[in-house]
Parts: sequence; structure tokens; C-alpha cells
Amino acid sequence: QKEVEQNSGPLSVPEGAIASLNCTYSDRGSQSFFWYRQYSGKSPELIMFIYSNGDKEDGRFTAQLNKASQYVSLLIRDSQPSDSATYLCAVDSYNFNKFYFGSGTKLNVKP
Amino acid sequence: DAGVTQSPTHLIKTRGQQVTLRCSPKSGHDTVSWYQQALGQGPQFIFQYYEEEERQRGNFPDRFSGHQFPNYSSELNVNALLLGDSALYLCASSLPGSMNTEAFFGQGTRLTVV
Repeated sequence: QKEVEQNSGPLSVPEGAIASLNCTYSDRGSQSFFWYRQYSGKSPELIMFIYSNGDKEDGRFTAQLNKASQYVSLLIRDSQPSDSATYLCAVDSYNFNKFYFGSGTKLNVKP
Repeated sequence: DAGVTQSPTHLIKTRGQQVTLRCSPKSGHDTVSWYQQALGQGPQFIFQYYEEEERQRGNFPDRFSGHQFPNYSSELNVNALLLGDSALYLCASSLPGSMNTEAFFGQGTRLTVV
């Protein structure tokens, strides 16, 4: 059973701070890692993806991957109240878009 | 360019009934996956269609079945509905399985079984 674990939160950060979201996965053979943002009552929206160890930056977002530790994280710099949402970590073991999702971390950015 | 579209957006059914949900993939995408998201949980993979065949399946009973049409659109059918089938059903489309592909989700269908 492939598992993806996330702290459910809520994670509260003040506006302008860095939010750090973490995810661990059980399948060492996992290849692709995705972060989705989901507002309440809406569908998941892709933020970014990462395949190689290290950091990948896209605007205010940085994804970090450590395959040896089976750990992936998402950093949000200069957090805004509009970033308040649930962040889902998804793992694709064989690159066939069969995603295993964590249960999500709820982020609250306080003005 | 239309993204992934799903219909209907909301649906209320009675236990024991059958339901059909529909999905049109993003232009250029030929792979459609279906997920079930219960309240407070992450989406769970139901199955995936590619070239009109079910290519992969998650841990869902045979009450859940699907179909993909030549235009790549897809249907999810659920028979003998249970209260526990109440959830947000999400369709995701992507390019054929290969390295570094992204999946895009539709807005979902909220199914309530009463």
C-alpha cells in the first residue's frame, strides 16, 4: 500500500511570512511529485511538480525533493491571504498519472 | 482553450440508484483518470482510461465502471449507490504516460446519496 503522509494542520502563518508544507511517501520507487492547491469546495489546481532531487523554484513557490529521505516539501514565500487553502501532495510512482494523494495540509495566512 | 469539463456539477441520488458522470478532457489530452474525494480527505484513484481501454484501476468495487469514447471523453458509472459514495468526483486529463506529464482536474461533480 503506497502511502503519502501530510500534516493536516491547520498551519497558520502571518502575511508576508514563509509557509513550509511537508510530505513524506512510502514507495521508494516513486518518480514524480506534484503539489496541488485546493480552495474549499473547488477542484485541485496544479501549483508545480518536481522530478529530480534538489530545489525547483517558480515565482513565490519552491518545491524541494529528497528521494533518499522520501520527503518533498513546498515553500511559499511572502505568503498572502489568498494562499489560504488546502495543499495536496501527490506522488506518481510510474509516470502514468496514477496519483497517490496525501490528505492535505490546511494553510491559513492571517492578514 | 477549454480545460477539463465535467457534468453535472451537483447531483442528488437515492440509495440503490445508478448514476453517470461525464468528463471532457483538456484539448490535446487523451488520458482520463477518475478520482473520488471524500470530505476532508485527499482524492483517491478510481481508474484511468487510455485508448478507450481501462488501463489502471484503484481499490474500488465493480459497482464503479467507466467508458472512454473515441473523442477521449469519458463516463463514470456507479451502480447500487451507497451513502458512502457521497463525495466529490474528479476527472483529470493528461497526455499519454511518459516522463514528466502533468494532470489537470475538472471542477468536479458533487454527488450526494440520500
